[in-house]
Amino acid sequence: AQKVTQAQTEISVVEKEDVTLDCVYETRDTTYYLFWYKQPPSGELVFLIRRNSFDEQNEISGRYSWNFQKSTSSFNFTITASQVVDSAVYFCASSMDTGRRALTFGSGTRLQVQP
Amino acid sequence: EAQVTQNPRYLITVTGKKLTVTCSQNMNHEYMSWYRQDPGLGLRQIYYSMNVEVTDKGDVPEGYKVSRKEKRNFPLILESPSPNQTSLYFCASSLGRGASYEQYFGPGTRLTVT
Repeated sequence: AQKVTQAQTEISVVEKEDVTLDCVYETRDTTYYLFWYKQPPSGELVFLIRRNSFDEQNEISGRYSWNFQKSTSSFNFTITASQVVDSAVYFCASSMDTGRRALTFGSGTRLQVQP
Repeated sequence: EAQVTQNPRYLITVTGKKLTVTCSQNMNHEYMSWYRQDPGLGLRQIYYSMNVEVTDKGDVPEGYKVSRKEKRNFPLILESPSPNQTSLYFCASSLGRGASYEQYFGPGTRLTVT
């Protein structure tokens, strides 16, 4: 079974600050996939990124960056120069190639960016 | 526009009154799934379908039924809803059955059972 832990329930920052959202995962599989989703106040779930277990390269997309470290079972997400529009709940999730292919979600981190 | 649609978006009902939440995708996706979202618990899978006529239970299937008669539709049925099924429900689909494919989510259905 997989487990995803997002220990930060809520984070509040002021606009332009950098913020890192933590994600720790547990799995016994050698092949697995990690995801981040964003849920803005409107409620939909927006896919942000997918990483497979064989690819530990960090990724940057504009103000977003992701740090995947197998040694610590972490897949952290950093927003640089945060903006009010970044205010949302962010979910980290994992899945594996066997069984249900279900996404196992963490409990989410609510990010509030104050102007 | 490629999308997953759900109807209704909001529903208030009473205990025991059967209801169906529809889900449809226009992307010819093989894999479809239902999740429920509850505060502090993230999202949990209710049922999933690998293809037409192939469905199976997820983490929290009790009290729910599904069917997959056509590739594009995957309705969620609550035969006798109870208050503990008050939740936010999401339908999702993905192109392939492998876990590497990202799942695209519908807009959500907020269900209240009184």
